Order: sequence, then C-alpha cells, then structure tokens
Amino acid sequence: GAVVSQHPSWVICKSGTSVKIECRSLDFQATTMFWYRQFPKQSLMLMATSNEGSKATYEQGVEKDKFLINHASLTLSTLTVTSAHPEDSSFYICSARIPSGSGELFFGEGSRLTVL
Amino acid sequence: GDSVTQMEGPVTLSEEAFLTINCTYTATGYPSLFWYVQYPGEGLQLLLKATKADDKGSNKGFEATYRKETTSFHLEKGSVQVSDSAVYFCALSLTGNQFYFGTGTSLTVIP
Repeated sequence: GAVVSQHPSWVICKSGTSVKIECRSLDFQATTMFWYRQFPKQSLMLMATSNEGSKATYEQGVEKDKFLINHASLTLSTLTVTSAHPEDSSFYICSARIPSGSGELFFGEGSRLTVL
Repeated sequence: GDSVTQMEGPVTLSEEAFLTINCTYTATGYPSLFWYVQYPGEGLQLLLKATKADDKGSNKGFEATYRKETTSFHLEKGSVQVSDSAVYFCALSLTGNQFYFGTGTSLTVIP
C-alpha cells in the first residue's frame, strides 16, 4: 500500500534554533500533503495544507512565519520550525492522499520534537 | 460544523474481552468515515473505513457500521488482545482533503 515516510523520527534541539522535518510519499505522487500537530493525549490538530508548487494554506491560529512549509516536488514536503521554543515541543505528523484513490489519508510515522 | 465525537478514555480491558468505542458525527453532507489506530510513538494507520450508509468496515477483527439514522460509526471487536493496546481515532471526511478527527480513545488490554 501507499507509504508516507517522515524524517527524522526524533529530534532534540536548543531553543532558538530551527528544525526541518521531511515528509515523503514513497510510492505515489502527492500534490497535497497535510501537516498535523499532536499534543500529548490529544487529537490531531491540522496545521496546514501543503500544495506542490504553491503556497501552503495555514489553519487559523498557526503562525506562518514560525512553521514554514515547502512542497517543492510531488513527493516531498518539508516543515521547518523556526526559532524553536520549548512550547513548540510536540509530535508532528504529515499525511497525504493518493490523488485517484479512495480518499483515505496515509500518515507518516511522526516526528517528535523536543526543544530544550 | 462538521465534527466527530468519540468516547473518552482511557479504556482498560482484560484480554479476550469485548470492545466497543463509540463514535458519532455531525456532517452537512454524506461523509466517509474512518477509524485510525496509533501505536505508541508511531503515526496513524488506517484501521477500517466506510464510504456510505450501512457499509460495514472490517479489519483485523475490528468492525464498524456506518449508521446514518444514528449518525454513528462505533468500533467493535469481539475479543481483544494485548497487541490491540493503542489509541483509536474516529474521523470523517467530506471532500477528501479536510479530515475531522475525534479526540482519540486510549485502549489498554491487560493479560
């Protein structure tokens, strides 16, 4: 089946640094990818929709300058957390759909960010 | 607006017990309904889905039936195993792009 892969799975960084998380669709082309954030014991919060070749669409309340999204190719979207702070520590998950598929979302393994 | 309400957890069951996790939805149209499972430290995996009323999704012994009259999509399994311990998310999608997730229900199965 379709596979979406994220890298890195774990990242620890110092406050004030930037961290990039990659999301790849391994066996299909994804014109649209979705970035979610999950707080401990809570549901997924959609942060933004990443569109290949154009600007991402951010959900209300999500800082565009803080969470930079780039979807440069049909198989890769990146999320960069800029000037990270401890409150940015979270589990970030990307997902994608097969364009001609049955509508289900395929999720990456998730990336746990810890900002010290 | 469109939303999903699912049973709050955590749920703790003994092995071989019967499982029900309730899920109800509110939608302006005719959504597709999904159950996703998240094992510790991992992303979400599709468990099962149903795309229209009266459809039954099933996988790995889990079942859920799309009930339009009660706007429900309850997850059931007749005999749970320790390996079923995970967080279960109910979700709906109308357009295929926008998904609405429930808050998740944590299940722990003890031997």
